[in-house]
Amino acid sequence: DIVMTQSPLSLPVTPGEPASISCRSSQSLLHTNGYIYLDWYLQKPGQSPQLLIYLGSNRASGVPDRFSGSGSGTDFTLRISRVEAEDVGVYFCMQGLHAPLTFGGGTKVEIK
Amino acid sequence: QVQLLESGPGLVKSSQTLSLMCSVSGASISGGGYYWSWVRQVPGKGLEWIGFIYHTGTTQYNPSLKSRLSILLDTSTNQFSLHLTSVTAADTAVYYCARGGLQQVSPFFFWGRGALVTVSS
Repeated sequence: DIVMTQSPLSLPVTPGEPASISCRSSQSLLHTNGYIYLDWYLQKPGQSPQLLIYLGSNRASGVPDRFSGSGSGTDFTLRISRVEAEDVGVYFCMQGLHAPLTFGGGTKVEIK
Repeated sequence: QVQLLESGPGLVKSSQTLSLMCSVSGASISGGGYYWSWVRQVPGKGLEWIGFIYHTGTTQYNPSLKSRLSILLDTSTNQFSLHLTSVTAADTAVYYCARGGLQQVSPFFFWGRGALVTVSS
């Protein structure tokens, strides 16, 4: 199985400041078709996960442009350019290249 | 807008079978080339992909659960189901159903609200 490792586990943030979360995979997530099969989800308190970023860098419909995804191969980053209070929750990365699909352990973002 | 809703018993006895349904609205599970998945989350913990069923009925399961797992389509009611046999306390979790993209297992564009299932001894 592909192991997904996220850091940090917890991220206190100040509204208006930038934030970034790292995700590392145990194997390259680059498909032969050129796409990177790495997605980012946010699970707000008491809610289901919601898709933020797919195929490494594509924002899902309705996701604010302050969220961006980058990376290649095995190292990926989710960036929030200016954190807002509504961004609190647990962020998960997930690889969709090989079954079983696997998730990172999560990064809890909270307001300082 | 696609909506998914999980339903089923909230309490299952150890060694019995856990069965959940996912009702789909806004899309037909029998057409369109979509993958329909189950994901679970132990309360306060991370996410685990359980498996998927394609609109043709083709399935793929997480090897960690494969020997106990079945995912089925019911096109007459536009639902798909999860059946996990011989459950233990380790199967206590919130179970989500989700839909992938066109011809893609992931990403999961749509999720249900989740159903908490507790396995009791």
